[in-house]
Amino acid sequence: GIQVEQSPPDLILQEGANSTLRCNFSDSVNNLQWFHQNPWGQLINLFYIPSGTKQNGRLSATTVATERYSLLYISSSQTTDSGVYFCAGIGAQKLVFGQGTRLTINP
Amino acid sequence: GAVVSQHPSWVICKSGTSVKIECRSLDFQATTMFWYRQFPKQSLMLMATSNEGSKATYEQGVEKDKFLINHASLTLSTLTVTSAHPEDSSFYICSATDHRAPPVAFFGQGTRLTVV
Repeated sequence: GIQVEQSPPDLILQEGANSTLRCNFSDSVNNLQWFHQNPWGQLINLFYIPSGTKQNGRLSATTVATERYSLLYISSSQTTDSGVYFCAGIGAQKLVFGQGTRLTINP
Repeated sequence: GAVVSQHPSWVICKSGTSVKIECRSLDFQATTMFWYRQFPKQSLMLMATSNEGSKATYEQGVEKDKFLINHASLTLSTLTVTSAHPEDSSFYICSATDHRAPPVAFFGQGTRLTVV
């Protein structure tokens, strides 16, 4: 079946630091998405990234499909970046989430 | 990006009653929709995959008679929690995939269900 694992589970940083979040996924995953869940529960699409690298402002993501992992980078973190970040793998007509990384950016 | 609308955003119901949650894709057709359940400080657990015009596929451990899913059109899927009990209280969220290209999943705003 589909397996998606995220690390670390929790990450606490000071404002201005850079963050790296990791997502490992099983062979049955064809595509990968990164999300940020806001305090009200809404899932915000960050990246659809089955392979390669994409950037959007201070955020970027890289997926190395052959090695079954993806990384989400947040540069110059701000307090508003705090929240839970999920990666989700798509395969066998399912979208399965990892356990998430809870990011806390302190001022 | 595409818009998925979920309604209601929150609902409080009495034990033993049924609650219906709607999930609509507003500007695209979604042949497949997913329903998830999320407990506090946990991840999203896939409950079922809803395909337009056919029966939903439920994940192991999810009671199909308790969580009724209907996907009657390409833009609407509903989840009905039947005979709700306090342990059904949770955050329910739906997802629809825009298959035009690429196959990106978009999410509704979620429904917070409280059963008293």
